[in-house]
Order: sequence, then C-alpha cells, then structure tokens
Amino acid sequence: DAGVTQSPTHLIKTRGQQVTLRCSPKSGHDTVSWYQQALGQGPQFIFQYYEEEERQRGNFPDRFSGHQFPNYSSELNVNALLLGDSALYLCASSSLTGRGETQYFGPGTRLLVL
Amino acid sequence: GDSVTQMEGPVTLSEEAFLTINCTYTATGYPSLFWYVQYPGEGLQLLLKATKADDKGSNKGFEATYRKETTSFHLEKGSVQVSDSAVYFCALREDAGNNRKLIWGLGTSLGVNP
Repeated sequence: DAGVTQSPTHLIKTRGQQVTLRCSPKSGHDTVSWYQQALGQGPQFIFQYYEEEERQRGNFPDRFSGHQFPNYSSELNVNALLLGDSALYLCASSSLTGRGETQYFGPGTRLLVL
Repeated sequence: GDSVTQMEGPVTLSEEAFLTINCTYTATGYPSLFWYVQYPGEGLQLLLKATKADDKGSNKGFEATYRKETTSFHLEKGSVQVSDSAVYFCALREDAGNNRKLIWGLGTSLGVNP
C-alpha cells in the first residue's frame, strides 16, 4: 500500500515565477491538506481539500491556490514567488473519520526561491 | 488563538537515558493532541496521539498522557536508542465542525550518542 507521495522532491525557482507541486494521497483517503515548513520551524497550515473543494484555509495570501482532482490527488500552486516562499511543502492525507483522525504526511517538496 | 509550546532543543542524551520532552498547549476548545517525529531526510510520521483527558498514547516505547488540568502532553521514553535521534513535534487540533487544521510546536531536536 503506497503512502502519500509528492513530486517533485526538490525544485529551484526564481522570484516572480510560478510553481506547481503535486500530491497523491494514501489509498482510501479522500482529504488532502497542505503545510509549509520553514527551516527550523513547525509546519504552518495552508489549506485543505475535500470533495474537490477548499474546506479550510490558513493565513496565506491568494498567491497560494490549490486544486483537488476526482481521484483525490491534489496540486498546490504558488504564483509570483518570493524569497520567503523557500520552504519544505508537505502534503498530508486523511479520511474524515472525526475526532482524532490521523493525517499521514508525504516526504515533502523542498522549494528554493532565488 | 490556539498554540503549542515545546521545550527548546537541541537535546543530547546518551543511549539508555530517560527522555522527557515537554509540551504545553493553549486551546479555546477541547483538542486532540499528537506527537509526530521527523527523521533526518524523511517526512513527518505520527508517533502517538490522545483524544481526551487522561488518555495515554504510546508507541515504540514512547508515551504521553493528555493532562487537561495542566494543559500538557509531555513525551517520555524510558531508555532512548541512537535510532531515536530525530526532531519531535507536538501538535493539536480542535476537532470541531469543519476544522482539520493541525497547530504545531517548533519542534525539539534529539540527538542520542552511543
């Protein structure tokens, strides 16, 4: 049973460019959450997708957008990249089972903005 | 707003030493609590969780008890191994309505020497 997969593993972009990160959830999961983890920090919640809609959003600007496909996979798009967007981007999948549901994380995509 | 505070690292121990990593939280409601571990070069893995007061989560020799009266969820292990060297994150989630956002501490780096 494959876990959560993310692509690419590493990415280098320049300021002002746009980037798309991809995530495939664990088998049986229908919900995908995205987090940003800066170096030496805990993850920060970006948003969550369920049934192809954004259910919840953290404190991130509109430059950060996402999409969920019918097969539950998801994309994170970041426009007009800033140096401060350099971070590890984590995808987590889960199934909405209620209290205490576990989010399973992928290995992340490390983005460097120059 | 909700928050998680972890003891600062890095923590360095000798093999077979006792480990405690302190975690306290602030929440408006009644959250579920989690410990995740991040091994070098890998993604976040759930270590243990607890969903109600006085619950004890345990896994791989690690334990943590949900203490509502002290708003704490300290991680303990009786005898650490070199393979336990990693970064440990405490996190909470208010399981109410559509909220699925995990709120994280800054992480505590643990190094275990043979």
